[in-house]
Amino acid sequence: DIQMTQSPSSLSASVGDRVTITCRASQGISNYLAWFQQKPGRAPKSLIYAASSLQSGVPSRFSGSGSGTDFTLTISSLQPEDFATYYCQQYSDYLWTFGQGTKVEIK
Amino acid sequence: EVQLVESGGGLVQPGRSLTLSCTASGFTFGDSAMSWVRQAPGEGLEWVGFIRSKTYSGTADYAASVKGRFTISRDDSKSIAYLQMNSLKAEDTAVYYCSKVIRTWGKYYFETWGQGTLVTVSS
Repeated sequence: DIQMTQSPSSLSASVGDRVTITCRASQGISNYLAWFQQKPGRAPKSLIYAASSLQSGVPSRFSGSGSGTDFTLTISSLQPEDFATYYCQQYSDYLWTFGQGTKVEIK
Repeated sequence: EVQLVESGGGLVQPGRSLTLSCTASGFTFGDSAMSWVRQAPGEGLEWVGFIRSKTYSGTADYAASVKGRFTISRDDSKSIAYLQMNSLKAEDTAVYYCSKVIRTWGKYYFETWGQGTLVTVSS
């Protein structure tokens, strides 16, 4: 299985901060990488697919980049509603795997 | 508007079976692949499996942790995807989410998620 490793596991930030989360794949996955946001007690929400394409309705302050094994999710200006846990996920092969999650907390 | 509603969760004894349903609306269900993902209490997301549309064989793939015990099926006439879970174990306790999956260039990715249904495996 392809292992996905996110860093950091958690971070504290203030409203208006630029936030970057990293996701590394154990082998090359081209750009078959998605990002999700999950708030406590809620279902995940799809943010990005194909490493950098925004899902419909996702604010433009979210962006993704990367290819191969190293990827990033950036929130350009953190908003109050962005405090949540973020997951990456690879879909390069048919054994899809998620990262362990990054919790973004209020500083 | 795409909507997915899971049902069928509850308390079940170890070794028993349970079937979850995912009722879809707002899109052409028969044209879409569907997937199940679970989340154990306090843990991260774990992919369970997915089923292709009949246009692309209608077959399913599963995570190693559930292969041989879980079966995903679909009834396109009712717009429902099912997750049949057999030989349940305590470690299968989780919230189970279904998701509409988009196929592009031969690859699949998640789009819309349901609200989830809780399965508790305990005696």
